[in-house]
Amino acid sequence: NAGVTQTPKFRVLKTGQSMTLLCAQDMNHEYMYWYRQDPGMGLRLIHYSVGEGTTAKGEVPDGYNVSRLKKQNFLLGLESAAPSQTSVYFCASSYGQLYNEQFFGPGTRLTVL
Amino acid sequence: GQQLNQSPQSMFIQEGEDVSMNCTSSSIFNTWLWYKQDPGEGPVLLIALYKAGELTSNGRLTAQFGITRKDSFLNISASIPSDVGIYFCAGQRLISGTYKYIFGTGTRLKVLA
Repeated sequence: NAGVTQTPKFRVLKTGQSMTLLCAQDMNHEYMYWYRQDPGMGLRLIHYSVGEGTTAKGEVPDGYNVSRLKKQNFLLGLESAAPSQTSVYFCASSYGQLYNEQFFGPGTRLTVL
Repeated sequence: GQQLNQSPQSMFIQEGEDVSMNCTSSSIFNTWLWYKQDPGEGPVLLIALYKAGELTSNGRLTAQFGITRKDSFLNISASIPSDVGIYFCAGQRLISGTYKYIFGTGTRLKVLA
């Protein structure tokens, strides 16, 4: 039981390049989330999904797109990376929404030059 | 964006000392959670609180859900070096018909042996 895994762990991009971050969970959770973590800012929600085939915007969605084609996977895409997107990205999942713990992946450290 | 006020931002303590940190908001929350993040890892849940006034312990950790539902406290007794890390509070509340997590900005704890 691996929990929540994220690929890749590190990535360096040039401004304007695109990439996709992959999150996978093996806990059969319905809800999945993408956060970014910046120094002194805590965790901010980018997008989330309440089930396979659904996505919704979080607090800071601009510049990102997501897809949830399979229940166990949640993809975060950057179409045209900008230096402001340099951050650590965390994926999380939970069984439900109310009163449910979120389980986090180990994070992806992204640097945009 | 919405963030919870967490204090202190950082603290250096001697091994064996007790630690206290808190999280406050102007909004009411129905759930409070405390997470710990080790360097290079994702946050891991320490304690979850579901009722106003609730006091819950997990080993040397004790957390309380404030009576006003606008704050929460975490205490660590007899700190040890492995307590080092960033502690995040998170509150869950209903926003626009959906239950959302709001994270605090974190308390960075360093324990001096």
